[in-house]
Amino acid sequence: GAVVSQHPSWVICKSGTSVKIECRSLDFQATTMFWYRQFPKQSLMLMATSNEGSKATYEQGVEKDKFLINHASLTLSTLTVTSAHPEDSSFYICSAGPLASSTDTQYFGPGTRLTVL
Amino acid sequence: KNEVEQSPQNLTAQEGEFITINCSYSVGISALHWLQQHPGGGIVSLFMLSSGKKKHGRLIATINIQEKHSSLHITASHPRDSAVYICAVSARIQGAQKLVFGQGTRLTINP
Repeated sequence: GAVVSQHPSWVICKSGTSVKIECRSLDFQATTMFWYRQFPKQSLMLMATSNEGSKATYEQGVEKDKFLINHASLTLSTLTVTSAHPEDSSFYICSAGPLASSTDTQYFGPGTRLTVL
Repeated sequence: KNEVEQSPQNLTAQEGEFITINCSYSVGISALHWLQQHPGGGIVSLFMLSSGKKKHGRLIATINIQEKHSSLHITASHPRDSAVYICAVSARIQGAQKLVFGQGTRLTINP
């Protein structure tokens, strides 16, 4: 099956620093990528939808200036958490699909655990 | 009320038992996904369904579009099946297609 990778798998950073998380589709072209966050024992919460070559669409309540998303190529999307604070500590997961504006086929990355001290 | 409801929320069973996890949804969908999340956090897509039934090894997933209901069955359950199982539907929300997730079912299989 299709593979989506995330890097890093875990990161610890100091409060106030920025952290970049990469999501790559390894064997298909990902027209659309989705970024989720998950708090302990809760389900995934969609943060933003990223279409290659265009600006990301953010969900209500998600600060676009804090969570910068770039989808510059068909195989790579990045999420940058700017000026991270302890409350940003969470599990961040991306998913990718080959079809534009569709979630019918989705492949999930392994996730990135962010801890902000 | 959530758009996707799963039951039960927690399930503990003995090895070898037949397991059923249910998912009901209230929105129009184009597809339904069953996902597995192990304690490490990574998510594996088990099934994507738009109608009928699919089988993969000991796992079976069914969907009834008219009743807006899906079930995930595990036959001859094994401790390695212990994980959180998540139902998610592909739905058009405010003009954009998104995945809407259930709250998950935490399955524990005891040896």
